[in-house]
Amino acid sequence: ETGVTQSPTHLIKTRGQQVTLRCSSQSGHNTVSWYQQALGQGPQFIFQYYREEENGRGNFPPRFSGLQFPNYSSELNVNALELDDSALYLCASSLFDRNTDTQYFGPGTRLTVL
Amino acid sequence: DAKTTQPPSMDCAEGRAANLPCNHSTISGNEYVYWYRQIHSQGPQYIIHGLKNNETNEMASLIITEDRKSSTLILPHATLRDTAVYYCIVRGSVAAGNKLTFGGGTRVLVKP
Repeated sequence: ETGVTQSPTHLIKTRGQQVTLRCSSQSGHNTVSWYQQALGQGPQFIFQYYREEENGRGNFPPRFSGLQFPNYSSELNVNALELDDSALYLCASSLFDRNTDTQYFGPGTRLTVL
Repeated sequence: DAKTTQPPSMDCAEGRAANLPCNHSTISGNEYVYWYRQIHSQGPQYIIHGLKNNETNEMASLIITEDRKSSTLILPHATLRDTAVYYCIVRGSVAAGNKLTFGGGTRVLVKP
């Protein structure tokens, strides 16, 4: 069974640039969630994708956007990068369930904005 | 999602059981209790979850009080590799929203 993978591992960008982060779901999962974790804090929910549509969103501006593909992999796009966007970006996959679903996290992408 | 309260830190002796408490007094009937841990700079690792009954798996046991207002995660024989930040999360049903709301967690240090 393949776990959740993310790429790249590390990334350095400058303020104002755009970035795309990628996530491959665990085998058999159909839902992807993205989280941002600033240094010293717990992860914060950005949004979730199910059946290629956004299925819930946290308190993040529209310059944070995403996609889910037919193979359930996903991308997180961030436009007009700001210094405060420097963080560990985590992807979690799960199998959608009416009652609850267990999310399994990838290793994350460390984004540094200079 | 109901808020959780955890002690900010605790130490544990290697080989002994580690008991991690969590208060969730505003939990509602259909909300699950989830536990994750995060070893430095890695993605959070799922440990266990439960609704009403106590649960056990190969990693840990979860004890939920009868009124469901608190729970305890038990690591039966702590090892140095169990040093991590442990998060207790109460999450609602899928219909109520899917996000995991992480609090501050408990920083557990397992000492030789």
